[in-house]
Formats: sequence, structure tokens, C-alpha cells
Amino acid sequence: NAGVTQTPKFQVLKTGQSMTLQCAQDMNHNSMYWYRQDPGMGLRLIYYSASEGTTDKGEVPNGYNVSRLNKREFSLRLESAAPSQTSVYFCASTMGRGGYEQYFGPGTRLTVT
Amino acid sequence: SQQGEEDPQALSIQEGENATMNCSYKTSINNLQWYRQNSGRGLVHLILIRSNEREKHSGRLRVTLDTSKKSSSLLITASRAADTASYFCATPLKVDAGKSTFGDGTTLTVKP
Repeated sequence: NAGVTQTPKFQVLKTGQSMTLQCAQDMNHNSMYWYRQDPGMGLRLIYYSASEGTTDKGEVPNGYNVSRLNKREFSLRLESAAPSQTSVYFCASTMGRGGYEQYFGPGTRLTVT
Repeated sequence: SQQGEEDPQALSIQEGENATMNCSYKTSINNLQWYRQNSGRGLVHLILIRSNEREKHSGRLRVTLDTSKKSSSLLITASRAADTASYFCATPLKVDAGKSTFGDGTTLTVKP
């Protein structure tokens, strides 16, 4: 099993450009999450999907959109990138809502100039 | 605002010593989890302790939970250089079990 995979690993964008970060899990997990991690800080939840077909805002959703394409895939879209969105983005999945360990992908390092 | 906060922010010890880091949280929880993050990598789950448990062990890890003080501690015994990493506590919010919040972490350096 590959676990949680993310693409791309690195990306540089100019202000105003758009892009989609892809995430997929092969563990048949119900819930998936997108976090961002700024230098020296913990993770902040952007969006999460408790189950296929549902998405909910997290702590810092502004400037992002998400799509739960199917049970395996959960994508994060930046419509108009801003320098404040420079961060490392992690996708995670878990069997159910809360109370279960989260499995993390390797991260996408995004720089917006 | 973040639910969990780790203390200290940074900890440096010699190999073989014990490392203790603490986590405080604000609202009621049904469980608390600890994760490790090696530099440049994603987080890896270490241990989960439920609200009705006071102590849990896993290998060289010992976790305690005091719900009256809203705090938890992670003890790593006989530390090794490979334990060098950042450690985070995570607390699923009871009002919305879909969301977990993470603290800013404790950065542990174990010197050989």
C-alpha cells in the first residue's frame, strides 16, 4: 500500500496564478483533511471531508477550495495564489471522524512569489 | 485559536537521557494523540490516549493524561539520536469530532 500520496512535491507560483494540489489514499479511509504548516508552527486545518460527497471548512479556509472527487481522492485548489499562501501543505486521512489516528502524506512545498 | 499547546518549544538533551514534553488544551476531549515529525516529512502517529485513561505505554514512550488539569505529557525514555524530531499533540474537538487541532510542537534534539 502506498498510504497517502501527494502531488506535486514542490511548486513555485507567481501571485495570481492558480493550481490544484492532489491527494489520494489507498486505505479505504472515510475522512480526509488538508492542512498547512508554516515555518516553526503546527498544522492548521484548511478543509476536511468527513465522508465522500461532503466537505467542511476548517480553521483557515479563505483562498482555498476543495473537491472530494471520490473516496480515494481529495484535491485542494488555490484560485488566485498570494504570497501569504507560501507554506507546506499536508493531506491526511483517517478511518472515521475524530478518535482515529491520521495518516499523513509527504507534503507539498509551495512558494508564491 | 489552537486547542493544544506544547511546552517547551525546544528541548536539547544527551543520548540516553529522558525527554519530557507537555501539552495543554482548552476544551473537553474524548482522546488526545501524539505525533512525531522528522525534518521535511509528514507527521507520524505515535500514540492515542482516551479520556478515561490516565497512562499509556508504547515501547520507550509513556503518555499521561490529566483531564482535570487539561494536560498531557509525553515521556521518551533512554533517548536516541534518531528521536530528534518535532513532537505534536492533537486533540479532536468533541463538538465536531471531524476536526483535530495541533499545537506548535516541541522540537527535540538528542545529541549523540
